[in-house]
Amino acid sequence: DQQVKQNSPSLSVQEGRISILNCDYTNSMFDYFLWYKKYPAEGPTFLISISSIKDKNEDGRFTVFLNKSAKHLSLHIVPSQPGDSAVYFCAAIPKTSYDKVIFGPGTSLSVIP
Amino acid sequence: DAGVIQSPRHEVTEMGQEVTLRCKPISGHDYLFWYRQTMMRGLELLIYFNNNVPIDDSGMPEDRFSAKMPNASFSTLKIQPSEPRDSAVYFCASSFREGTGKNTIYFGEGSWLTVV
Repeated sequence: DQQVKQNSPSLSVQEGRISILNCDYTNSMFDYFLWYKKYPAEGPTFLISISSIKDKNEDGRFTVFLNKSAKHLSLHIVPSQPGDSAVYFCAAIPKTSYDKVIFGPGTSLSVIP
Repeated sequence: DAGVIQSPRHEVTEMGQEVTLRCKPISGHDYLFWYRQTMMRGLELLIYFNNNVPIDDSGMPEDRFSAKMPNASFSTLKIQPSEPRDSAVYFCASSFREGTGKNTIYFGEGSWLTVV
């Protein structure tokens, strides 16, 4: 029973357009949310995070939005670049166990030149 | 700074053989995690350690899996005996928890295991 869900296994976007990756969670006790990016044959790398007390966090071309009432967050990439093609993992940290980072199954993004 | 170092990068073994995966965390990090990535389940947390002590091993699939952390700079994940369904990429990761509670973890490049 997955607590962090990414219902779209894959997404294709034209270069220069916006990429929107979605994530849903079931546990209202999550305190922090993170996005990780993974290239083939490499380990995931941290991209951006957001605290549960905020609804938006921006870092360059990447913005994460959090809608707590809907238990939903999204990662926006604007403009999308071919180098953004990777698997994106949504992750969450529960208040009850700050040590534990729970990952979603990932969404594979392809940015088409 | 060296990142998390895992070995071997690739392992092909026969069913029934013992497999040992190794990890060197980032110096100064006090948490170490073992994750497994499969197509079906994504990134699963198998076990994690804090200050070399196992904290939560509820993700370890069965008794064939065991993990140790004899010191702050080394950990192993062992599968004995291995089975074809263990084929996956195994990631080791480490972290140092920030005061705010945020726990940004850093992954190694993974060990690709194929059991035939």
